Amino acid sequence: GESVGLHLPTLSVQEGDNSIINCAYSNSASDYFIWYKQESGKGPQFIIDIRSNMDKRQGQRVTVLLNKTVKHLSLQIAATQPGDSAVYFCAEQITSGTYKYIFGTGTRLKVLA
Amino acid sequence: SAVISQKPSRDICQRGTSLTIQCQVDSQVTMMFWYRQQPGQSLTLIATANQGSEATYESGFVIDKFPISRPNLTFSTLTVSNMSPEDSSIYLCSALNWGQGNTGELFFGEGSRLTVL
Repeated sequence: GESVGLHLPTLSVQEGDNSIINCAYSNSASDYFIWYKQESGKGPQFIIDIRSNMDKRQGQRVTVLLNKTVKHLSLQIAATQPGDSAVYFCAEQITSGTYKYIFGTGTRLKVLA
Repeated sequence: SAVISQKPSRDICQRGTSLTIQCQVDSQVTMMFWYRQQPGQSLTLIATANQGSEATYESGFVIDKFPISRPNLTFSTLTVSNMSPEDSSIYLCSALNWGQGNTGELFFGEGSRLTVL
């Protein structure tokens, strides 16, 4: 069935280092992807998105890379800060026959002081 | 953008009872969804709440267990029926606008944390 999965459930990085969170998706027809950040006790918050006609998109300290050939998505966080500690999810938009978002497993990012 | 309010934010419920969660959006939205997030896990889509018609349920979720209403473009409810401890979870309401000029971003409420004893 449809699925979006992540390679690493937990990622620990030193403050100031760059973080890379990965995601594999299974639906080659998906054309829109979003990264979300979820802090404890809160709902997911939008970080950055990318459409399938792009392979890279940059925001403030974050970059999303999309490799459609291998159906892989990554989120790069530059100069990771303690406030970046959270769980990160990728989401894939499914539009064939319906319109919905499927979420990946999630990666917990721990920033070490 | 859209601001989503859910209530209750949390509740402790007895086995066998039912609870209705309300979701209010501050603007009209095209689509509304309900997700479940079990402890330490990702979000699983329960159903798409369709305005004026029956919700569209995902595999593993049925209307008798999770009846959903969406009477207008800004409001929806999810009922968790005949609860058991396995229903202890966070239930999240989400919404989006699609079409020209909209990004397709899915907005979320803060969630309703249910504990079933």
